Amino acid sequence: DIQMTQSPSSLSASVGDRVTITCRASQSISTYLNWYQQKPGTAPNLLIYSASYLQTGVPSRFSGSGSGTDFTLTITGLQPEDFATYYCQQSYRIITFGQGTRVEIK
Amino acid sequence: VLLVQSGAEVKKPGSSVKVSCKASGGTFSSYAFNWVRQAPGLGLEWMGAIIPLFGMPNYAQKFQGRLTFTTDESTTTAYMELSGLKSEDTAVYYCAKQGTAVQNALDIWGQGTLVTVSS
Repeated sequence: DIQMTQSPSSLSASVGDRVTITCRASQSISTYLNWYQQKPGTAPNLLIYSASYLQTGVPSRFSGSGSGTDFTLTITGLQPEDFATYYCQQSYRIITFGQGTRVEIK
Repeated sequence: VLLVQSGAEVKKPGSSVKVSCKASGGTFSSYAFNWVRQAPGLGLEWMGAIIPLFGMPNYAQKFQGRLTFTTDESTTTAYMELSGLKSEDTAVYYCAKQGTAVQNALDIWGQGTLVTVSS
């Protein structure tokens, strides 16, 4: 299986900050990479698909980039509702997820 | 499309659980229904998927022999049955649909079903 490694595992940030989360695949996955946001007690929500495409309805402060093995999720201008856990997921082969990055209030 | 799952379950070790996922709207038979679970405080774990049109499930290796996916087109419902339950199977189980418009990302999720395995 393809291993997905996110970093950091958690981070503290303030409202208005620019936040970057990285995701590395154990082998090349082209752009078969998706990002999800999950808030406590709720199902994950798709933010970004195919590495850089914003899902309908997702605010433009979220962006994604990367290809091959290295990917980035950026939140530009963190909002109170963005404090959550973020997961990357590859769909190049059998689906696997990263371990998650928890974004906490500083 | 909306996915609505069955309610929470409490099961004994060694027993089985069957979770349902009813789809409303869209073309049920062509959707790829995935099942993902999340143990308390932990991350997301993909269990497998099934497309009703083809009926051939794809199970993650870890669950081979214990996991069964079925679908019922008459009620537009997908089912996940896990047998030989252990305490480590305590988790929230989600169904999620892959969307062709989003390059097969998981674009619609059910609300989750908590399965507790306890003696």
